[in-house]
Amino acid sequence: QKEVEQNSGPLSVPEGAIASLNCTYSDRGSQSFFWYRQYSGKSPELIMSIYSNGDKEDGRFTAQLNKASQYVSLLIRDSQPSDSATYLCAVGAQKLVFGQGTRLTINP
Amino acid sequence: KAGVTQTPRYLIKTRGQQVTLSCSPISGHRSVSWYQQTPGQGLQFLFEYFSETQRNKGNFPGRFSGRQFSNSRSEMNVSTLELGDSALYLCASSLARVGLNNSPLHFGNGTRLTVT
Repeated sequence: QKEVEQNSGPLSVPEGAIASLNCTYSDRGSQSFFWYRQYSGKSPELIMSIYSNGDKEDGRFTAQLNKASQYVSLLIRDSQPSDSATYLCAVGAQKLVFGQGTRLTINP
Repeated sequence: KAGVTQTPRYLIKTRGQQVTLSCSPISGHRSVSWYQQTPGQGLQFLFEYFSETQRNKGNFPGRFSGRQFSNSRSEMNVSTLELGDSALYLCASSLARVGLNNSPLHFGNGTRLTVT
């Protein structure tokens, strides 16, 4: 079992719709959870962090964490073509472990 | 505030050579982590340095090493290069130690290493 698992996609969503990205992790001792966005040929950039159970909203982005189910998700509302990228889930205990990423395409 | 700076951006080396990559963290950040990114394996953790000490290490052979200086700048070295070492090497800095203090990583632009 991988430490952090994501559906690799590609996930295709029409413009204006909600994109839902999911991630599961295996280390129950994990304390910090992040979502990064990586455009092709660029380095990952931090878009959301979440540390406690529940929802955290930041603009069009909502991160959800459920430690009992070892599950973290990212919702993108009103998806824009500029949201097309690979989204990486990162989970931290003693180190930050990244999932393989989900490739998201927003179709105009 | 300047971001994480990695040099060089691109490197081409031949098998058996060694290479040194450099990373300057965001001012005030004391932790530097290194990752290898390949299409097949994704982002793989190499090591983390904090206060000039290696705090954590990933599952890479001893050919991969690093160090951190008193000004938090870091270098990583790969000796006896193999074709499989071709990858994007990313450096990331954080204010405090990763994972333990809810401290996110901020990435540099990476060094693209090609081994021929």
